[in-house]
Amino acid sequence: NAGVMQNPRHLVRRRGQEARLRCSPMKGHSHVYWYRQLPEEGLKFMVYLQKENIIDESGMPKERFSAEFPKEGPSILRIQQVVRGDSAAYFCASSPDAGDEQFFGPGTRLTVL
Amino acid sequence: AQTVTQSQPEMSVQEAETVTLSCTYDTSENNYYLFWYKQPPSRQMILVIRQEAYKQQNATENRFSVNFQKAAKSFSLKISDSQLGDTAMYFCAFMKSGTYKYIFGTGTRLKVLA
Repeated sequence: NAGVMQNPRHLVRRRGQEARLRCSPMKGHSHVYWYRQLPEEGLKFMVYLQKENIIDESGMPKERFSAEFPKEGPSILRIQQVVRGDSAAYFCASSPDAGDEQFFGPGTRLTVL
Repeated sequence: AQTVTQSQPEMSVQEAETVTLSCTYDTSENNYYLFWYKQPPSRQMILVIRQEAYKQQNATENRFSVNFQKAAKSFSLKISDSQLGDTAMYFCAFMKSGTYKYIFGTGTRLKVLA
């Protein structure tokens, strides 16, 4: 029973490029959460999605960031026109239902040059 | 708004000794959960222990136990018989019951010395 999968594990982008981070939840989980961890800080909530729906994006910057969780396939966190301040570790978590324990993926470390 | 404070940025402990990591939180809620997560150098977030606020009994998982003081809003983690593999960042986290957002502290970097 595979855990939460994230890829890539490491992503390097130049300023102005786009970054796409993927998350495959655990089998049977239809709730996905994205968190961002800046250097030397704890994880901060960004967005909560269910299949085909964004439930809460209150923690996501209004510009350049978007997330989706299509009916088929992984959840995608997309960052357009990346800037150096986007450099961070991005974690995905999943749960079988809202309020259940969340299981974290290994994270994607994004470095913007 | 809820906040979680970890006042010890770094700690070290000798192998086989006991160490306690501090965590305080601020909330007006009565029903919530508290967690300790371990983040080793691999950066994987690993749940160490979880406490429901309505339970008076302190949670225990093998060598890990908590001291939950609800009135004082304190939730410390005790690691007994420390092992080299315990070296990691430890994050304290809060979640209001019926919600899905973790509120994490800034972490304590623990180093176990041989």
